[in-house]
Amino acid sequence: AQSVTQLDSQVPVFEEAPVELRCNYSSSVSVYLFWYVQYPNQGLQLLLKYLSGSTLVESINGFEAEFNKSQTSFHLRKPSVHISDTAEYFCAVSGSGGYQKVTFGTGTKLQVIP
Amino acid sequence: KAGVTQTPRYLIKTRGQQVTLSCSPISGHRSVSWYQQTPGQGLQFLFEYFSETQRNKGNFPGRFSGRQFSNSRSEMNVSTLELGDSALYLCASSLGTGGANYGYTFGSGTRLTVV
Repeated sequence: AQSVTQLDSQVPVFEEAPVELRCNYSSSVSVYLFWYVQYPNQGLQLLLKYLSGSTLVESINGFEAEFNKSQTSFHLRKPSVHISDTAEYFCAVSGSGGYQKVTFGTGTKLQVIP
Repeated sequence: KAGVTQTPRYLIKTRGQQVTLSCSPISGHRSVSWYQQTPGQGLQFLFEYFSETQRNKGNFPGRFSGRQFSNSRSEMNVSTLELGDSALYLCASSLGTGGANYGYTFGSGTRLTVV
């Protein structure tokens, strides 16, 4: 079984400032890690994922996350946020291999302040 | 390429009734998973279907059931509705089993309100 902890339920940050959304996971097997974003009244969208290889993964809109196995973390970062980044962000984990259930964290609401 | 389509978008039902929600995955995706999203519990996994077979099931009572058709479209049914079933129900499709290898593509959800 695996679990995900998102330490911050809300993160306010000023526009153009950097931001880090924290995610820690627990698993007894090798994992795949994901970040999803949910805008109001919409479903979740895959932002980025780590399956294997380079521990630093990037999204097309400037977010990046680093897989740290020793710290069991997968924090999401962006060097300069925009108003349009205001949304809820979910970290998720699954075991590698077939028929693996994906477990989501409780979400972090990012509020970008103009 | 059409996204994941969930119908209806909004639903109001009375306690004790039953409800059926529908999900059409992205063309070519054979896996459909269902999640319940509530402010207090976050995203809770209901079940996953792949090639018309239930592959994984979450910890929900038997009142929650689902099925998948040969065209990969899926339905979930909730019988004897309770107030606590009020939630956003999200459908997610994936190319392979689960969202593990490929990641999920989510629909916009069905907002169910039980009164």
